[in-house]
Amino acid sequence: NAGVTQTPKFRVLKTGQSMTLLCAQDMNHEYMYWYRQDPGMGLRLIHYSVGEGTTAKGEVPDGYNVSRLKKQNFLLGLESAAPSQTSVYFCASCAAGASGPYGYTFGSGTRLTVV
Amino acid sequence: LAKTTQPISMDSYEGQEVNITCSHNNIATNDYITWYQQFPSQGPRFIIQGYKTKVTNEVASLFIPADRKSSTLSLPRVSLSDTAVYYCLVVPFGNEKLTFGTGTRLTIIP
Repeated sequence: NAGVTQTPKFRVLKTGQSMTLLCAQDMNHEYMYWYRQDPGMGLRLIHYSVGEGTTAKGEVPDGYNVSRLKKQNFLLGLESAAPSQTSVYFCASCAAGASGPYGYTFGSGTRLTVV
Repeated sequence: LAKTTQPISMDSYEGQEVNITCSHNNIATNDYITWYQQFPSQGPRFIIQGYKTKVTNEVASLFIPADRKSSTLSLPRVSLSDTAVYYCLVVPFGNEKLTFGTGTRLTIIP
C-alpha cells in the first residue's frame, strides 16, 4: 500500500516552461489537495478537489491549474513557470466521513526550482 | 477560520516530557483541534485530534481546557527522532481544507 505518491521528486525548470506534477493515491480517498511550502513557512493550499471531476481554489491558486479526471489522480500544472514558484509541493488526500474529512495522508513532496 | 498562535521554537533534552501550547481564542463551537508533525523533506503526518478534555494515543496526549481557547500537545519522554516542526490546526467539522500556520520547531538535545 503506497499511500500518496508524487511524481517527480525533483525538477528544475527554466522561466516560462510548463510542467505537470502528478499525485496518485491508492486509498480510495474522495478529497485531494495540492500545497506549496516555502522555506521556513507553513503549507499553503493551492487547489483542492472533493471528488472526481471537481476542483476548487485554495489560498494561492494563481499561476496553477489542476485536474481530477480519475479519482485516484490529481494533477497540478504550471503553464508558464516563474521563479516565485520555486518551492516544495505537497499532495495530500483524505477520506470523506459523516462529520467531515479525516485521515489526511501527505506525499513526500516535489522540490521544484525555477531558474 | 480560527487563528492559532504557537511558539516559533522550543528546545528540550532527551527523555523529558515536552508540552507545546497553542492558543486559539476565537475557536468556534463546531471546530476541532488537530496536530501534525513534519520532519525535514517530508510531508506532515497526523499526530492527534480532539474536541474537548483529553485525548491520548500511542505517541502523544492532547489537553483541551473547558473554554477550548487553547490546547496543549504533550510528548512523553522525547528522543532525538522527535525533532520536527509541530503544527496546531483548528478545523471546522465538515470543512474539507486544512490551514497551516508556521508551526513550532522542536529541537531535542542529546
